Amino acid sequence: DAGVIQSPRHEVTEMGQEVTLRCKPISGHDYLFWYRQTMMRGLELLIYFNNNVPIDDSGMPEDRFSAKMPNASFSTLKIQPSEPRDSAVYFCASKIGQERTGELFFGEGSRLTVL
Amino acid sequence: GDSVTQMEGPVTLSEEAFLTINCTYTATGYPSLFWYVQYPGEGLQLLLKATKADDKGSNKGFEATYRKETTSFHLEKGSVQVSDSAVYFCALISGGSNYKLTFGKGTLLTVNP
Repeated sequence: DAGVIQSPRHEVTEMGQEVTLRCKPISGHDYLFWYRQTMMRGLELLIYFNNNVPIDDSGMPEDRFSAKMPNASFSTLKIQPSEPRDSAVYFCASKIGQERTGELFFGEGSRLTVL
Repeated sequence: GDSVTQMEGPVTLSEEAFLTINCTYTATGYPSLFWYVQYPGEGLQLLLKATKADDKGSNKGFEATYRKETTSFHLEKGSVQVSDSAVYFCALISGGSNYKLTFGKGTLLTVNP
């Protein structure tokens, strides 16, 4: 079975440009999470969805960030306009079922560099 | 709020050495505790977990015991291999939270042959 698939793997863009990161969760998983990883702050939860509905977006840094999940097999994280401090690795993860201690399955990440 | 503190890395060991990576936490209620591992160029994957005090999680020769009295969940392995080289993350989900997994900053382990 395919794991969580993220694209692009690497993105280099200039400040002010729009960035869209994409994620395909594991089929059948009903929870989807977006994390950001930086050297300074480590891994931070940005937002998570349950059955395509955003449940907690308290980690989204500001209005420049938005996330959508139009269906069970696709989610996007958009940054508009991008800034150099947004440079990070963005991970998508999915899980199945309501057990809170269930395993999160992570994608390989999208490394974003904003110049 | 919830937080996880891990020992600063990097940690460099020779093959077959004993490994300990310290992890302590602050959380509301009674958290569940996890160790995730990230191999180079890959996403994180669950290594082991413990959901209540005195539980021991184990997998692939790694162990960690949930110590409520010291709020700790230290990772140990008796004999490391080169293939164990990775970044190790301690994490928790607290009793009062929804599905938010809070991670430590990670510890880079390098094992030399």
